[in-house]
Parts: sequence; structure tokens; C-alpha cells
Amino acid sequence: EVQLVESGGGLIQPGGSLRLSCAASGFTVTSNYMTWVRQPPGKGLEWVSVIYTGGGTFYADSVKGRFTLSRDSSKNTLWLQMDSLSAEDTAVYYCARVRPAAGIDYWGQGTLVTVSS
Amino acid sequence: NFLLTQPHSVSESPGKTVTISCTRSSGSIASFNVQWYQQRPGSSPTTVIYQDNQRPSGVPDRFSGSIDSSSNSASLTISGLKTEDEADYYCQSYDGIDWVFGGGTKLTVL
Repeated sequence: EVQLVESGGGLIQPGGSLRLSCAASGFTVTSNYMTWVRQPPGKGLEWVSVIYTGGGTFYADSVKGRFTLSRDSSKNTLWLQMDSLSAEDTAVYYCARVRPAAGIDYWGQGTLVTVSS
Repeated sequence: NFLLTQPHSVSESPGKTVTISCTRSSGSIASFNVQWYQQRPGSSPTTVIYQDNQRPSGVPDRFSGSIDSSSNSASLTISGLKTEDEADYYCQSYDGIDWVFGGGTKLTVL
């Protein structure tokens, strides 16, 4: 059974850093495209980043240069390093598996990141 | 980048049919696949349509997707509406590397 479990969210001050993790089971992270999507409270979905099987990563303009997506094959885990956080980054962050050219087939339960002083 | 524009909300009665549109602002809607996601309150999204008109296993055939090049839009149609269909629906497509989500449509079944 495919499962994605995010962790690492919490309250962080503006300018701070946070690292989210996404533990996968039922499949191999490095053999799949993986993505992060976020959802500010009461608002819609916003794409954040994607990593392809070859390791290439791409980011939304809103996070480019501040967020870094990586993966660990030994732990079958995806990481999202988030630096220079601002209030606009406050959101539930979802980890998800991607089917090539077919969008997301599995979503995690999400982890809430709140950036506030 | 481009935008995907959806109606903010739609409502319909149980048993009826509703269609939610998703209009692409630039570039051809046919150039990249469109997906539709359902999000019930308090839950993670789930996929109801992928690759314009494909249903994942477990999604009832009451859900269907299509694209219309003349209006440069995609549509999600739900027939035989049930109260359990009440949710937010998001379309999603691509622009080469970048992903774009529509703003979401709140479906009320009353």
C-alpha cells in the first residue's frame, strides 16, 4: 500500500528555516517523480517543487532560491529545506507522488507550517 | 506563466448534473494534460480525473473530464450528484516545467 507521511511542520519566526520530511512506503521514492504542493489556510492549492527520477529539481518562482528539494534513497524519504521563511509561506504542505504527465496519484496528509512572530 | 480560471462556486441538487470549467489563459489547453482533484473539508486532495479524461480506479463513472480547444478550457462533469460529492475541485496542468493549479471551485450539493 502506498503511503506518504509528512512531518517537520510547526511554528517558525520570519526569516527562519525549517526542514520538512516525507516518509514513503509501498514504493521507491527515487524511482518516481515526487512533488510538494502547499495550501495556505482557507485558500487554494499552490505547486511548490518537483523532483524527477534523474534527480533534477524545479521550483515555483515564489520559492526559488529559498527552498531545496532532495531525497534519501536509504530512508526512502523526501526532504524540503525551507529558508528565509515569510508569512506568505504559511500553509499546509503536502507531499505527493506524481505519474509522468498525469499529475498526482497519491497525496500525504499534509503538515502545517506557520510563519509568525 | 499561464492561469487556470475556475468559477468560485457552483451548486446543484442531488441527482442532477453539474459541469465545472477550467479556462487556460494562454497556450493551448490541448498541449498539456489536465488533471482534476477533489478535496473534501479537512482532507487531503484526491485525484478524480487525470490526462484530461481518465478516471483512477475507484472513482465512479459519474465523474468525467473533457477538453474543448475552441474555448481553450477543460471541464469536469459530475452526473447523478450525491451529497458526498460536495467538495472543492481543482484543475491542474503544466507549462513545460511549471505546474499550475486553478483557483478551485466549491461544489455545493443541496
